[in-house]
Amino acid sequence: AQKITQTQPGMFVQEKEAVTLDCTYDTSDQSYGLFWYKQPSSGEMIFLIYQGSYDEQNATEGRYSLNFQKARKSANLVISASQLGDSAMYFCAMREGGSNYKLTFGKGTLLTVNP
Amino acid sequence: SQTIHQWPATLVQPVGSPLSLECTVEGTSNPNLYWYRQAAGRGLQLLFYSVGIGQISSEVPQNLSASRPQDRQFILSSKKLLLSDSGFYLCAWSRGQPGNQPQHFGDGTRLSIL
Repeated sequence: AQKITQTQPGMFVQEKEAVTLDCTYDTSDQSYGLFWYKQPSSGEMIFLIYQGSYDEQNATEGRYSLNFQKARKSANLVISASQLGDSAMYFCAMREGGSNYKLTFGKGTLLTVNP
Repeated sequence: SQTIHQWPATLVQPVGSPLSLECTVEGTSNPNLYWYRQAAGRGLQLLFYSVGIGQISSEVPQNLSASRPQDRQFILSSKKLLLSDSGFYLCAWSRGQPGNQPQHFGDGTRLSIL
């Protein structure tokens, strides 16, 4: 079974609107971390936001927020006020409790922001 | 501030030729270092990670090897490239602890095998 599932291969959003990118995960660990990365067409991976399994509040970083629903094992990324520069691939990743090193990545969602 | 450098940016190699990709990190000491491969349109697959000089862990058995001759230098190598080695290779670093430390990536190397 996949550990990270991103069910939306592609998403479209109008500039200045909000968009939610879905991510569900599968782990039996109590301690784990969830990360979101952005990959523009140039290829570099840019860290956006982190949520720990014991964090009681949803993480926020500027226009990015993470809608963490632990019981549902989901960690959706919300981008508010979309900008043209947000067009990119977005990857959800998980670090499980047994490893401080390994990140398991989902297959990604391609977000296109329309003017 | 910390920076990570990865080179070359693109590489075209014939089947059977050797490979050496280099990655260096500046501005931090004793980082964890990682090599990933990304197939076209796919997520990242961890190939190797290292928690210290000379310490290499392999995640996927394959035609590649990694070495860490210095604290902030990580090298990905192959003696004989295969067509299936084509892809986008990314080096990354992170602090060892705590576990909420993100991995920071280099700009990647696009490797094409002919």
